[in-house]
Amino acid sequence: QSALTQPRSVSGSPGQSVTFSCTGSSSDVGVFVSWYQQHPGKAPKLMIYEVSKRPSGVPDRFSGSKSGNTASLTISGLQAEDEADYYCCSYAGRYTYVFGSGTKVTVL
Amino acid sequence: EVQLVQSGAEVRKPGESLMISCKGSGYTFAGYWIAWVRQMPGKGLEWMGIIYPGDSDTRYSPSLQGHVTISADKSISTAYLQWSSLKASDTAMYYCARQGTWNYDYWGQGTLVTVSS
Repeated sequence: QSALTQPRSVSGSPGQSVTFSCTGSSSDVGVFVSWYQQHPGKAPKLMIYEVSKRPSGVPDRFSGSKSGNTASLTISGLQAEDEADYYCCSYAGRYTYVFGSGTKVTVL
Repeated sequence: EVQLVQSGAEVRKPGESLMISCKGSGYTFAGYWIAWVRQMPGKGLEWMGIIYPGDSDTRYSPSLQGHVTISADKSISTAYLQWSSLKASDTAMYYCARQGTWNYDYWGQGTLVTVSS
């Protein structure tokens, strides 16, 4: 059960959009993909679930999608407070889950 | 308001035992799976395992099974993560999280475990 693969880092200027991926083996990335934001020293926060659904209170500039075995998170209209680490997570079968390796988003 | 409150930071020596806790409130604790997630210093999140407090059904990550024990006491709305013999490599922040519908919707504040001789 290997970690899902994410780019180590992405960056963008305020107002720009950034998109980054989460890729698994053939059986890892299904429809039950979620994304978590983690600021330094803080607990993770759910941002997207079931590929593209946003919990109440999450800004609509965060969106998720999936194509084949790759899920993606897009942050549109990047803001300073979006600078954080982001992790994908997918159901891996037999009641187990696996997290991605994490992507650091830097706002230039 | 849903809350998960974890026990405080711990310092132990290699070979010692330890149990940390996660107390839920604001919802029916027995009715939701609770997961434990490890974050080693400077590293990413690692899913460790889950427990359903209603019947104590427990599942572990294949890479960690046998090294930790997950348990729960639904009568006091508390889940536990336990080690019988700690290693230096167990030094990490440990989070508990409530499993909603195929996601982790509420998280504890984390418990820092330091294992050092």
